[in-house]
Amino acid sequence: GEDVEQSLFLSVREGDSSVINCTYTDSSSTYLYWYKQEPGAGLQLLTYIFSNMDMKQDQRLTVLLNKKDKHLSLRIADTQTGDSAIYFCAESKGSGGYNKLIFGAGTRLAVHP
Amino acid sequence: DGGITQSPKYLFRKEGQNVTLSCEQNLNHDAMYWYRQDPGQGLRLIYYSQIVNDFQKGDIAEGYSVSREKKESFPLTVTSAQKNPTAFYLCASNPGQGRNTIYFGEGSWLTVV
Repeated sequence: GEDVEQSLFLSVREGDSSVINCTYTDSSSTYLYWYKQEPGAGLQLLTYIFSNMDMKQDQRLTVLLNKKDKHLSLRIADTQTGDSAIYFCAESKGSGGYNKLIFGAGTRLAVHP
Repeated sequence: DGGITQSPKYLFRKEGQNVTLSCEQNLNHDAMYWYRQDPGQGLRLIYYSQIVNDFQKGDIAEGYSVSREKKESFPLTVTSAQKNPTAFYLCASNPGQGRNTIYFGEGSWLTVV
């Protein structure tokens, strides 16, 4: 199947770390992505990880990939109110250098004081 | 500035009418995509195109049509055959050639009245 699953909601206190989890089903996916969507806007690419990597860090963002369990997580350090948004996990399918993405339903992150 | 431009941002359609959503990119990307987003759900692929004058159906192509006459442009027509067209539509593009990053436009809201 092509399901990508995420929990729907996460609430954290400002300054804490947020961890958003995702599971995917296709072990042949070469890239996995995290996108951020603010209300009424398009999707902003946050980061992506190649399937032969276990971890990728980019400033406050850390992506962990457990390929055996098909589990992907996004950790946001020092979460700020501006991080409140919907976060989508996506896996890639494609060949010849052209991907199409299969998305999860998104995790709504709420940051409170 | 380079980017993906979708228009209009908001569109109202009467039942039985066809409407066309515009997507233009000046990023010189080879591949372009149309996704549909419904509330509380992830994105679902409607159509994609890897090269001019060629396109493929995605997972929910019924009731939609596209064209790719120019590299920069990938318009989506929502036909009267689409049973439930009210949604948020997102256009995206990918440079291809092994570069696996997909970028999104700001989206178009279509409401059937």
